[in-house]
Amino acid sequence: AQSVTQPDIHITVSEGASLELRCNYSYGATPYLFWYVQSPGQGLQLLLKYFSGDTLVQGIKGFEAEFKRSQSSFNLRKPSVHWSDAAEYFCAVGAIIRGAGNMLTFGGGTRLMVKP
Amino acid sequence: EPEVTQTPSHQVTQMGQEVILRCVPISNHLYFYWYRQILGQKVEFLVSFYNNEISEKSEIFDDQFSVERPDGSNFTLKIRSTKLEDSAMYFCASSGDSLGSPLHFGNGTRLTVT
Repeated sequence: AQSVTQPDIHITVSEGASLELRCNYSYGATPYLFWYVQSPGQGLQLLLKYFSGDTLVQGIKGFEAEFKRSQSSFNLRKPSVHWSDAAEYFCAVGAIIRGAGNMLTFGGGTRLMVKP
Repeated sequence: EPEVTQTPSHQVTQMGQEVILRCVPISNHLYFYWYRQILGQKVEFLVSFYNNEISEKSEIFDDQFSVERPDGSNFTLKIRSTKLEDSAMYFCASSGDSLGSPLHFGNGTRLTVT
């Protein structure tokens, strides 16, 4: 069974600083990996996804993530954080099941706080 | 950009009552899902629905839960007799037919069982 671990429950960074959120997964085959963001009172918004090909993927809002098979990681990065990036970030691994769609297993989330 | 909409945003109910959570998925999507997030815990899969039937369900999705697509647009989750531990944020999602099509989530319904 697949699983996702986000080791950092809370992270605080200063506005303008760089950011890296860690994600480690366990999955028996080639994983489909996702990062979602949840702002207070909002749903889960897709930031980016990895299926195959280039291991560095670009997403919305200036985020990127790098898939490293040898480390079973899919860390999210942003070179310069904005105050509006404060939110909870979820990493997820997807299993494609014929006739059932894309079944996601989520990590526990990392809450990002941004200091002015 | 099309989006998944959920109503109500907040539902308060007494233990033992039935609740129906409503969702309108993105119109050309074919797969529909319910997930839930108990406060302070992970987002968990409940059920997926395709071609007018349940295609996968988790251990959480017991006989108290049911899903329905009563017409061409709505997708509902019913909890027959709510328990205190059903209090959670319930997210509806939908996805298209292409391989690995990502899930698009609604804003959720916060269910509080008293």
